[in-house]
Amino acid sequence: GAGVSQSPSNKVTEKGKDVELRCDPISGHTALYWYRQRLGQGLEFLIYFQGNSAPDKSGLPSDRFSAERTGESVSTLTIQRTQQEDSAVYLCASSFSDSTEAFFGQGTRLTVV
Amino acid sequence: GQNIDQPTEMTATEGAIVQINCTYQTSGFNGLFWYQQHAGEAPTFLSYNVLDGLEEKGRFSSFLSRSKGYSYLLLKELQMKDSASYLCAVRDKSGNTPLVFGKGTRLSVIA
Repeated sequence: GAGVSQSPSNKVTEKGKDVELRCDPISGHTALYWYRQRLGQGLEFLIYFQGNSAPDKSGLPSDRFSAERTGESVSTLTIQRTQQEDSAVYLCASSFSDSTEAFFGQGTRLTVV
Repeated sequence: GQNIDQPTEMTATEGAIVQINCTYQTSGFNGLFWYQQHAGEAPTFLSYNVLDGLEEKGRFSSFLSRSKGYSYLLLKELQMKDSASYLCAVRDKSGNTPLVFGKGTRLSVIA
């Protein structure tokens, strides 16, 4: 596609439920990033995929968070047993390589009630 | 560790010039990026510096000093639409955390 696409754009879920967030990167981009942004805060790194290398999961806040990527295409971020503290905008970005600018999707606004 | 510092908020007058500073401490360095983020929207790329010096792009310029771990974003002829958060991000060459963001500077442009 022309840009990074994320779905859903908004998600309201009950505490304790699992959620799955999807990211379609720009075609041909080998690097893909997930970030979390709480209201009024900066971007918190979650996970990074680069080609076929092992993903960098150092930013995942707990074992309730996991992410997968199929080759160099779609990525899904899964949050199990959601908590109210997980409420945030989850942003996905992609780039051609790890030396060029990253392009962001519009994000998924997750609200845990 | 990795640390990126920016002022939290700034206010400037329409038509004026504003400089937003960013200092960083990272285990490696492979480029510094500035992004603009309007409220409720995704960040959009503004500039990239990997060598020391000034990069100019229209009303926006970005400066880098690697020896000082310092960058600034300069906005000229401010317009009301420039009211946004400006995010400084550093690429850590070690690759452990490939793009580290500061908390952002919220700029308010007033008439």
